Amino acid sequence: DTEVTQTPKHLVMGMTNKKSLKCEQHMGHRAMYWYKQKAKKPPELMFVYSYEKLSINESVPSRFSPECPNSSLLNLHLHALQPEDSALYLCASSQAGTNSPLHFGNGTRLTVT
Amino acid sequence: SQELEQSPQSLIVQEGKNLTINCTSSKTLYGLYWYKQKYGEGLIFLMMLQKGGEEKSHEKITAKLDEKKQQSSLHITASQPSHAGIYLCGADAGGYQKVTFGTGTKLQVIP
Repeated sequence: DTEVTQTPKHLVMGMTNKKSLKCEQHMGHRAMYWYKQKAKKPPELMFVYSYEKLSINESVPSRFSPECPNSSLLNLHLHALQPEDSALYLCASSQAGTNSPLHFGNGTRLTVT
Repeated sequence: SQELEQSPQSLIVQEGKNLTINCTSSKTLYGLYWYKQKYGEGLIFLMMLQKGGEEKSHEKITAKLDEKKQQSSLHITASQPSHAGIYLCGADAGGYQKVTFGTGTKLQVIP
């Protein structure tokens, strides 16, 4: 069982829709991450939050908007997505600082129609 | 940016056989993670290596870090169908919590 919970598991949305992905962890971690994974590719880093502040944005298009309301929650707001944004979106958390392994949720499978 | 190349890309082995997966970095490795992923699911943390020459084991999986070669290897002894999945190495680019992943190795174990 994963200690990082992501909802929903599957999401289908149109290009004009607004939706949000949610991630929750109760491990006391102070760093949280969003990754995007296309089929047969490794996960690609999108955003990192450290102590609830955005510390890394890997030049992600503004149609993806992250939010970290508190140390346990991480959201990814989606608006005006393109079909090529269809992917598995993975949330992870870790202790803040170097050499702390990431713990991943099971992901949200997003399909943009 | 740090690039991690894994070999082989895919591997099919008979149950009970041993196997090795390699991960080579384009830059100095300060620490390396190994993960396993089943299709469409999240990544499961296996182990972390921090020092050159370090070796760790968990059940039948052993990983080593060779800092000089900027390389890590993952060895599975007496493989089982439960070992099947995609193995990914990951590294933190200089301690900025910017963890990137290798190209992945798909393992199939035939009963």
